[in-house]
Amino acid sequence: QSALTQPPSASGSPGQSVTISCTGTSSDVGGYNYVSWYQQHPGKAPKLIIYEVNKRPSGVPDRFSGSKSGKMASLTVSGLQGDDEASYYCSSYAGSDILWVFGGGTKLTVL
Amino acid sequence: QLQLQESGPGLVKPSETLSLTCTVSGGSISSSNYYWGWIRQSPGKGLEWIGTVYSSRRTYYNPSLKSRVTMSVDTSRNQFSLKLTSVTAADTAVYYCARQGGDSIFDVVRLHYMDVWGKGTTVTVSS
Repeated sequence: QSALTQPPSASGSPGQSVTISCTGTSSDVGGYNYVSWYQQHPGKAPKLIIYEVNKRPSGVPDRFSGSKSGKMASLTVSGLQGDDEASYYCSSYAGSDILWVFGGGTKLTVL
Repeated sequence: QLQLQESGPGLVKPSETLSLTCTVSGGSISSSNYYWGWIRQSPGKGLEWIGTVYSSRRTYYNPSLKSRVTMSVDTSRNQFSLKLTSVTAADTAVYYCARQGGDSIFDVVRLHYMDVWGKGTTVTVSS
């Protein structure tokens, strides 16, 4: 069982927006602004797409955005494209004892 | 451009020790505010953080694996390594190494993200 809770699946049609949630506790998501999101295509390594809740690394389209409210973080993918079909994982700093946790992942399907 | 490459045996026998190395190229493993981590992904499953090492050789491990994990860093070779003892079939996974941004305040480390990943190496535990 993963430390952070994500829905196992999400879907949307091309051009639509989809939001994926990531629920933690006051010891991880709720306690720090160190939530990051990763995109993983089958057979490939994860790729950082959002860090520190809402920052995008260079080269990541602004169609990807992140936010946080309390113990829940969210990733929104706008203007869905076929290549967005992938698994998405949230993660968070979890304090000095546990240090780092991942969510279970959400498989995004572009209909 | 920073690149990471995992290497090591693809097959390990049960009860033996899994050993992997990550070679860093295009940058220094001694860069400040960067840490170096290992993450694994069991077949069809999600990501699991194994541990993190700093160039000062300070280590941080997932509590669930801590009794079996040892990580080290070799700054002269720009490499860091993972050893996992007493492996079972449950340790079969793709193992990734990654660079982690972070900081340390009053000797308390805070990890922020994993921004550069290796391609991963598959390790199977089987007799």
